Amino acid sequence: GQNIDQPTEMTATEGAIVQINCTYQTSGFNGLFWYQQHAGEAPTFLSYNVLDGLEEKGRFSSFLSRSKGYSYLLLKELQMKDSASYLCAVEPYGNKLVFGAGTILRVKS
Amino acid sequence: EAGVTQFPSHSVIEKGQTVTLRCDPISGHDNLYWYRRVMGKEIKFLLHFVKESKQDESGMPNNRFLAERTGGTYSTLKVQPAELEDSGVYFCASSQPYSGNTIYFGEGSWLTVV
Repeated sequence: GQNIDQPTEMTATEGAIVQINCTYQTSGFNGLFWYQQHAGEAPTFLSYNVLDGLEEKGRFSSFLSRSKGYSYLLLKELQMKDSASYLCAVEPYGNKLVFGAGTILRVKS
Repeated sequence: EAGVTQFPSHSVIEKGQTVTLRCDPISGHDNLYWYRRVMGKEIKFLLHFVKESKQDESGMPNNRFLAERTGGTYSTLKVQPAELEDSGVYFCASSQPYSGNTIYFGEGSWLTVV
């Protein structure tokens, strides 16, 4: 089976750093995606990891450990607009994504 | 460049009626996907087209759901007859031809069956 786990909710303060974890167990692995979704909007691509290590893109970084079935999304210098749902998704094979339930991040001032 | 567009954005229908959702992928994207999120659950894969061919339809819930992509451009997802449990958000997504390319999502079609 396919299983993606991430925390349901997190709260952090504006200007701080937050790490959203994702663990997965899937039948295959081609890569791992992180998406951001504001309420009522399309999931927006943030990052894609296929090799172990850290990928940095501005305020957002994503880490992958394939041997541990683990990833995290790191958000730095949090802004109020970062309040959203963050979706971890694994591509076990052939472009098909398996999603976690998403982590609702609330940024407070 | 236009993103993935979906129509309608919201639809409320009665149980037993038919609804057809439309998706226009990003121009040039051969891969088109349908996903669904029902209340309180994660987004789940329904099916994947490569051009006009169904590559993987393992996520389609039952034969009340019919997806087509004639001509390899836009796609439709028809639910007939609709049941209460079909309520949710239906997302369409598209990507360029090979694995690992960014998959772009539309804003979703919110379906409520009453």
